[in-house]
Amino acid sequence: SAVISQKPSRDICQRGTSLTIQCQVDSQVTMMFWYRQQPGQSLTLIATANQGSEATYESGFVIDKFPISRPNLTFSTLTVSNMSPEDSSIYLCSARRGTGELFFGEGSRLTVL
Amino acid sequence: AQSVTQLGSHVSVSEGALVLLRCNYSSSVPPYLFWYVQYPNQGLQLLLKYTSAATLVKGINGFEAEFKKSETSFHLTKPSAHMSDAAEYFCAVSGPGNTPLVFGKGTRLSVIA
Repeated sequence: SAVISQKPSRDICQRGTSLTIQCQVDSQVTMMFWYRQQPGQSLTLIATANQGSEATYESGFVIDKFPISRPNLTFSTLTVSNMSPEDSSIYLCSARRGTGELFFGEGSRLTVL
Repeated sequence: AQSVTQLGSHVSVSEGALVLLRCNYSSSVPPYLFWYVQYPNQGLQLLLKYTSAATLVKGINGFEAEFKKSETSFHLTKPSAHMSDAAEYFCAVSGPGNTPLVFGKGTRLSVIA
């Protein structure tokens, strides 16, 4: 299995600011994804982080709000821009190798005041 | 397109009783199916996966699931519940290859002493 480290693990932010979440995988993976888990809800895919190119966003998510970078095979960042209280969620980085399963980080719990 | 339906947002069982968590899927391609568990304030941990091999899949912590194509189901079972099994359980589906997982809404399992 892959070990995924995310930071920060939690943060409290002010409305209108931006926060960047970092995700580091301990070995090379083919795919990296970012999910959001709102309080008491399931996981919703934000985007697929593509190495060296623009991320592929799901319906309802846009690059201006959630810019994503993936400069190499083991590292990705997600920025939550111009935050509002509705952005309060757990943001989860995940990675997939050829075996099919998705490995998850512990998540970044974001509270926006 | 793929989707997952988990029947029952909350299941409560007595310690030592059978655990049955239901999952039905919809997929236009042969599916890969997964069960994940999430303990409070933690990330997701893979319990088991089906990737077109044996239809009865055994996972960690005594859980198993059976893939039934005719019923489009992948229910999770455990013969005897332990208090430590109390958590949120998510069923997920994907296509073959490096496609993202689509998650169900989750089922919260409570175990009563």
